[in-house]
Amino acid sequence: NAGVTQTPKFQVLKTGQSMTLQCAQDMNHEYMSWYRQDPGMGLRLIHYSVGAGITDQGEVPNGYNVSRSTTEDFPLRLLSAAPSQTSVYFCASSSQLNYGYTFGSGTRLTVV
Amino acid sequence: AQSVTQPDIHITVSEGASLELRCNYSYGATPYLFWYVQSPGQGLQLLLKYFSGDTLVQGIKGFEAEFKRSQSSFNLRKPSVHWSDAAEYFCAVGAQGAQKLVFGQGTRLTINP
Repeated sequence: NAGVTQTPKFQVLKTGQSMTLQCAQDMNHEYMSWYRQDPGMGLRLIHYSVGAGITDQGEVPNGYNVSRSTTEDFPLRLLSAAPSQTSVYFCASSSQLNYGYTFGSGTRLTVV
Repeated sequence: AQSVTQPDIHITVSEGASLELRCNYSYGATPYLFWYVQSPGQGLQLLLKYFSGDTLVQGIKGFEAEFKRSQSSFNLRKPSVHWSDAAEYFCAVGAQGAQKLVFGQGTRLTINP
């Protein structure tokens, strides 16, 4: 049981490049979320999903897209990377019946 | 809108001493409350959670938290800390039936030997 798997673990992008952060869970969880973590700011919600085909914006959605075509996968797309998107990104999933998000190990992204 | 305040950015305690980390939340309805711990370079691990019932909840690693509605607080406690408890601790409140979480800024815990 792998839990929540994020790839890659580290990434360096140039300003203007696009990329997709991958997130997969094998617990059949309905809820999935993406957060970014910046020093002194805790974790801020980017986008979340309550089931396949359903997504919604969080606190800081600008510059990011998501889709949820399957229960297992919830990729986060950076459309045109900016230095302000340098951060650590966490994906998490939760059961609808047993609340409490399980987090992945994170992706450290640097935009230069 | 929901919000969480962790008043202490950094706390230092001696090994074996008791610990209390403070958390205050703002939420209109009955909150879903969580405490997470993050070791350096790692993801977040759920310590405990509260939805309803007994206001004193037990978690993993010897931690407990008490929900006090009148004070809008959900403080985390441990009777005797160990060096391995050094980490960052996050309080979170669930919104929309815990479909999403709103986190506090975190409290970094340092343990003196």
